[in-house]
Amino acid sequence: AQSVTQLGSHVSVSEGALVLLRCNYSSSVPPYLFWYVQYPNQGLQLLLKYTSAATLVKGINGFEAEFKKSETSFHLTKPSAHMSDAAEYFCAVTDQAGTALIFGKGTTLSVSS
Amino acid sequence: GAVVSQHPSRVICKSGTSVKIECRSLDFQATTMFWYRQFPKQSLMLMATSNEGSKATYEQGVEKDKFLINHASLTLSTLTVTSAHPEDSSFYICSATRDKNTEAFFGQGTRLTVV
Repeated sequence: AQSVTQLGSHVSVSEGALVLLRCNYSSSVPPYLFWYVQYPNQGLQLLLKYTSAATLVKGINGFEAEFKKSETSFHLTKPSAHMSDAAEYFCAVTDQAGTALIFGKGTTLSVSS
Repeated sequence: GAVVSQHPSRVICKSGTSVKIECRSLDFQATTMFWYRQFPKQSLMLMATSNEGSKATYEQGVEKDKFLINHASLTLSTLTVTSAHPEDSSFYICSATRDKNTEAFFGQGTRLTVV
């Protein structure tokens, strides 16, 4: 069975600081991994995805994530936080691109000025 | 990317009534659609998977008679919450995919409030 663990339900950073949101996965087959962002009362916006190509994946809004098989991790980073990055972030896994996703519990990112 | 539209974005209904939520793929044919539910400040939980022209597959613990899913065409799936109760108040999100090799795209969600 697949699962996703997001360490830290709440992360606070200062504007301009590094953002690091942690995601570890469990999968018996090569996974497809996704990061989504959700603003209040809105749907999910795809930030980036890993689909067995390059291990370093670049997404929108300056975010990137690195797939590390040895660590079963897919942490999300951004070099410099912006106030507009404050939102809820979800890591998700599946074993095939078009099948249902299993989501982590989410991490709330707060950005202070 | 592909566009998935959900309607309505917000709905308030009285306890005991039924409410229908639509999920449409606007620029592709969706062989499979997924319905998720999200409680406040919690993650998304898969409720059911629907394939066009066949009965939906419900996740364990989801009442199929309460949450009716119809995937009548390749561009439309509907979720009907029957005899709604306040505990059904939640954020419902759909996603749709062309096939198993293509990622699913999400709708913008529907906030259901049962009063």
